[in-house]
Amino acid sequence: ETGVTQTPRHLVMGMTNKKSLKCEQHLGHNAMYWYKQSAKKPLELMFVYSLEERVENNSVPSRFSPECPNSSHLFLHLHTLQPEDSALYLCASSQGGTGGGNTIYFGEGSWLTVV
Amino acid sequence: DAKTTQPPSMDCAEGRAANLPCNHSTISGNEYVYWYRQIHSQGPQYIIHGLKNNETNEMASLIITEDRKSSTLILPHATLRDTAVYYCIVRAGGSQGNLIFGKGTKLSVKP
Repeated sequence: ETGVTQTPRHLVMGMTNKKSLKCEQHLGHNAMYWYKQSAKKPLELMFVYSLEERVENNSVPSRFSPECPNSSHLFLHLHTLQPEDSALYLCASSQGGTGGGNTIYFGEGSWLTVV
Repeated sequence: DAKTTQPPSMDCAEGRAANLPCNHSTISGNEYVYWYRQIHSQGPQYIIHGLKNNETNEMASLIITEDRKSSTLILPHATLRDTAVYYCIVRAGGSQGNLIFGKGTKLSVKP
């Protein structure tokens, strides 16, 4: 139990579907992140939110749309995905912004399969 | 790109100390050294981090050389549950100190 909860843990969706991944952190942190881990590739940073404001978008296609309604919740809205978007999507959070001395804690991830 | 170099794999006997090396020769003065591990199909687990001094917690010890160009993560008594991919990451201070993962070291703890 890391204090960062992701739902669903597994999701299968068609290319024309719209779905969302949800993340909730119970650590009182004020920065949240989405990472993507494709098969046999390193983790890639997708989005960073600090104090509910998006501070980084790492050249992610617009078919991925993040939303941070408050400091405890983060969503990743998915629409018209491609099979190559199948991956493990990881949510993370940290306290005190995104600075180097602030430890980032990860959730267990959501496995996404696009068919 | 990741700013660290790690061996792709290592073996360790159960109950023995596991010493995982990491080179970060281009590390800057405000960059921290972080270690995470990832057990198959799970999210990365934070282990330890340091800036200049050696650090120890309930999971591991981190030894950073005086010139900060390399470090070693020590698991003092490895168990089978420590089998995982271990990532050494340098992370800048300031407002955009994000984690950039490399390929890590696959540690296999054997009975």
